[in-house]
Amino acid sequence: AQKITQTQPGMFVQEKEAVTLDCTYDTSDPSYGLFWYKQPSSGEMIFLIYQGSYDQQNATEGRYSLNFQKARKSANLVISASQLGDSAMYFCAMREPGGNAGNMLTFGGGTRLMVKP
Amino acid sequence: DVKVTQSSRYLVKRTGEKVFLECVQDMDHENMFWYRQDPGLGLRLIYFSYDVKMKEKGDIPEGYSVSREKKERFSLILESASTNQTSMYLCASSFLQGWSGNTIYFGEGSWLTVV
Repeated sequence: AQKITQTQPGMFVQEKEAVTLDCTYDTSDPSYGLFWYKQPSSGEMIFLIYQGSYDQQNATEGRYSLNFQKARKSANLVISASQLGDSAMYFCAMREPGGNAGNMLTFGGGTRLMVKP
Repeated sequence: DVKVTQSSRYLVKRTGEKVFLECVQDMDHENMFWYRQDPGLGLRLIYFSYDVKMKEKGDIPEGYSVSREKKERFSLILESASTNQTSMYLCASSFLQGWSGNTIYFGEGSWLTVV
């Protein structure tokens, strides 16, 4: 079963508008972390935002915020005031503790965001 | 400046060739990972290592092996490359425990084409 699900393979947004990228996850561990990464066409993975499972408040980093709904197991990324440079692939990922590596990251299938001028 | 360096950005190899993808990190991280990225499938874990000479299979280890002889270096080996291994390969590293936020670091990726 998929642990991280991103249901939007591709999305368009008008420049300067806000956009929400969906992510749902599945885990039985009470301690976990949720990440969002941006991957431009160059291939590098750029860390955007992190939410710990025990964090009381939704994480925010500049124009990025994470809408964390623990009971629904969703961790949607909200980008406010979209810019042309936001066009990229976006990946949701989950860290679960345990195992020899201590922490593992599992990724969703990604959402390609295209910002229209 | 922290760094994960992958030796080759773009490779073209023939079917049946042995392929080495090298990854080096300079942060003294215990964990190192190899992921494969394909459209619609996201990143899938091939192998990881939590210490020198230690390795464990990830979700898709078939057709791959790894080597970690030194803490800073983690190699991915395709013993006999096949066309279905054409993909983008990402290396990553992290500390063993207690990391969160921006504490897993990725290389820039290696684009492998097998013809």
